[in-house]
Amino acid sequence: DIQMTQSPSSLSASVGDRITITCQASQDISKYLNWYQQKPGKAPKLLIYDASNLETGVPSRFSGSGSGTNFSCTVNSLQPEDIGTYYCQQYDNVPITFGQGTRLEI
Amino acid sequence: EVQMLESGGGLVQPGGSLRLSCAASGFTVRSYGMSWVRQVPGKGLEWVSHITGTGGITYYADSVKGRLTISRDNSKNTLYLQMNNLRAEDTAVYYCARDPQGSSSWPYYFDYWGQGTLVTVSS
Repeated sequence: DIQMTQSPSSLSASVGDRITITCQASQDISKYLNWYQQKPGKAPKLLIYDASNLETGVPSRFSGSGSGTNFSCTVNSLQPEDIGTYYCQQYDNVPITFGQGTRLEI
Repeated sequence: EVQMLESGGGLVQPGGSLRLSCAASGFTVRSYGMSWVRQVPGKGLEWVSHITGTGGITYYADSVKGRLTISRDNSKNTLYLQMNNLRAEDTAVYYCARDPQGSSSWPYYFDYWGQGTLVTVSS
């Protein structure tokens, strides 16, 4: 199985900050990487698919980049509603796997 | 509007069975890949099972293979997860999730999720 390692595990930032979460795959997964945001008590929400494509309706302050084994998700000008836990997910092969999550506090 | 509503969770003893349902509206389940993803409260996400839109091919995580069975009823537009021989480690919130790539060979990504249903396996 492909292991996904996110860093940091938790992050505290201020409104207006720019933050970056990284995700490293245990093997080359090309661009087959997605990012989700999950708020407490809610289902995950798709933010970015195929490493860099913004899902419809997601604010443009979110962006994704990377390929191969190293990926990142950046939030520019952090807003209070961006709190939650962020997960990366690979789909290069079955089983698809998620990172352990990055908890964002503001 | 796309909606998915899970039901069927609850408390079950080890070795017992449950059937989860995910009633979909606003789209046709047979046209999309559909997965079950679970989450132990306070922990991360774990993919459990998937059924492809085209062909209805099924996939399972090793941890549930042989015990959990994914299926769909096109006439009811509903996804199911039959859970047998349940273990304590199956305790989690179970989400159904839609893969917009209906013709994909396996799960790619999930654009819509249900609200989740809690399964607790305990004596």
